[in-house]
Amino acid sequence: RKEVEQDPGPFNVPEGATVAFNCTYSNSASQSFFWYRQDCRKEPKLLMSVYSSGNEDGRFTAQLNRASQYISLLIRDSKLSDSATYLCVVIPSGGYQKVTFGIGTKLQVIP
Amino acid sequence: GAGVSQSPSNKVTEKGKDVELRCDPISGHTALYWYRQSLGQGLEFLIYFQGNSAPDKSGLPSDRFSAERTGGSVSTLTIQRTQQEDSAVYLCASSLGLAGGLRRDEQFFGPGTRLTVL
Repeated sequence: RKEVEQDPGPFNVPEGATVAFNCTYSNSASQSFFWYRQDCRKEPKLLMSVYSSGNEDGRFTAQLNRASQYISLLIRDSKLSDSATYLCVVIPSGGYQKVTFGIGTKLQVIP
Repeated sequence: GAGVSQSPSNKVTEKGKDVELRCDPISGHTALYWYRQSLGQGLEFLIYFQGNSAPDKSGLPSDRFSAERTGGSVSTLTIQRTQQEDSAVYLCASSLGLAGGLRRDEQFFGPGTRLTVL
């Protein structure tokens, strides 16, 4: 099993739709979790951190499920500008050498 | 404010040559990371520096790769005797890291260096 797994997609959704991505991880000792957004031929940009209590930033909601070892990202009211690849990042406690990015999920929002 | 900068932005080299890539992290960030991303692939973690501590080099793909960080700030990634499979975008990121007893892992990326080995 890969350390971090994401469905590469693509997810093609109409404008205004709600879309959700999951990211599963194998290391139960993982400590920090993040979602990044990467546009084509650009560097990843931090979208949001993921906390145990869940967190929301506008149309974006991130959640962590430690029992089932996955994190999720929910995007409501999708905009054309949300089209990008969404990467999850898992950092284990005490082990930065095991920083792992998921392969990313490609989202295409269609007019 | 100034973000992470990397140079050069593009580098074309011939197989067998050595290359040096540079990263200037965000001021005050103690942690620095190097990744590489091949076309259409995910990010591959290479190496991590925390302050002036010796890095763990186990993520480097071969002994042709080395990295150093001087004065806890600027970092260089050196690839010796480049091979065509080294062609990729090399990304550097920094984070606050361990500061004041807290650990802040939010990473901020530079624009990357696109390396092409002919």
